Amino acid sequence: KQEVTQIPAALSVPEGENLVLNCSFTDSAIYNLQWFRQDPGKGLTSLLLIQSSQREQTSGRLNASLDKSSGRSTLYIAASQPGDSATYLCAVRTNTGANSKLTFGKGITLSVRP
Amino acid sequence: KAGVTQTPRYLIKTRGQQVTLSCSPISGHRSVSWYQQTPGQGLQFLFEYFSETQRNKGNFPGRFSGRQFSNSRSEMNVSTLELGDSALYLCASSSSPGLAAGSNTQYFGPGTRLTVL
Repeated sequence: KQEVTQIPAALSVPEGENLVLNCSFTDSAIYNLQWFRQDPGKGLTSLLLIQSSQREQTSGRLNASLDKSSGRSTLYIAASQPGDSATYLCAVRTNTGANSKLTFGKGITLSVRP
Repeated sequence: KAGVTQTPRYLIKTRGQQVTLSCSPISGHRSVSWYQQTPGQGLQFLFEYFSETQRNKGNFPGRFSGRQFSNSRSEMNVSTLELGDSALYLCASSSSPGLAAGSNTQYFGPGTRLTVL
């Protein structure tokens, strides 16, 4: 059974700092990994999706890496801003076909202090 | 292009009642997944539908059910509500259920906040 872990559960940093959010998963046989952002009381916004054959993806100030063999992914946020404050969740899709589904971590709540 | 819409946004019910939630996917998307989000358990997968067929189901009791219509709109139903069913229910759509590279990004709706009293 796939398990996704995100530690720590919460993080507070000063504005301008570069930071790394970690995600680990137990079953390396994944199809892809996706990072999401969730603002309080809202739905999820997809940030980056990395296919199992890829090592990283970049979008603006965000860079996500994937190391399947070690069961780890990181989300790097450059020059953090107060507007980056939100909960960041990673999710892995295991298998395809009838058993394909996303398994989520519990998220890291990020607070960027002005 | 309009995003995923969910109705209603907020719902208050009492124990024992039943509830139906609705999700309209992004135009052209045929896959719809449902998730339950609670502070204790986080986001948990409920079920996924593609072309009106349930493709996968999570570990939830039979009180939770769903269906998908020919226009890809989906509904989920919870019968005999319990206090523990209070949660944010999220719906997500994608163009296909995770097959071709780049085609299976999931787009989430704003959710329906269900409170069971």
